[in-house]
Amino acid sequence: QVQLQQSGPELVRPGASVKMSCKASGYTFTSYWMHWVKQRPGQGLEWIGMIDPSNSETRLNQKFKDKATLNVDKSSNTAYMQLSSLTSEDSAVYYCARGRPHYFDYWGQGTTLTVSS
Amino acid sequence: ENVLTQSPAIMSASLGEKVTMSCRASSSVNYMYWYQQKSDASPKLWIYYTSNLAPGVPARFSGSGSGNSYSLTISSMEGEDAATYYCQQFTSSPLTFGAGTKLELK
Repeated sequence: QVQLQQSGPELVRPGASVKMSCKASGYTFTSYWMHWVKQRPGQGLEWIGMIDPSNSETRLNQKFKDKATLNVDKSSNTAYMQLSSLTSEDSAVYYCARGRPHYFDYWGQGTTLTVSS
Repeated sequence: ENVLTQSPAIMSASLGEKVTMSCRASSSVNYMYWYQQKSDASPKLWIYYTSNLAPGVPARFSGSGSGNSYSLTISSMEGEDAATYYCQQFTSSPLTFGAGTKLELK
């Protein structure tokens, strides 16, 4: 069965960077785009961007072009997202989700990021 | 970007009541997608390509619409349907979501 297993919660200082992971199993990793979605506490969903694991082609929401970097490790079927120059506005749950490609059929459990000094 | 406006923001329904929620796009879209999210859980795909139910979604749910106006309907409210529902489009980039409709059991 398809599973997306995300890395654990992060507590990071303002101004720092963080890298979170999403390990895929149960399907051919390189056959589906991987998306990342942000959800602030009590808020809605916001699309960050997507990556094609077969060739690492990336498409970012322009709002996140200076914030997020996406990459993959095909050898371990893992997608990564790095967020830089963190502020309290980045505190949120971040989801990875498999793209079909215009919608998401499987979601990870989410990684909670807290930015605090 | 294509802004999706969901209405109402919050609604409540009694068991057995028919429920309809709306999603309006600022620009026409080819398809609308819907997700269900319950507290402290990841969103789940609920409806894809406007009217197709995701696996496991009860038949009391339906989706419809075209152009700028789409809707999700529950023919008869059940307790397990209480959740927040989000619409989503990717006809144009960036992919956008609506702000959600929170459905409560009355």
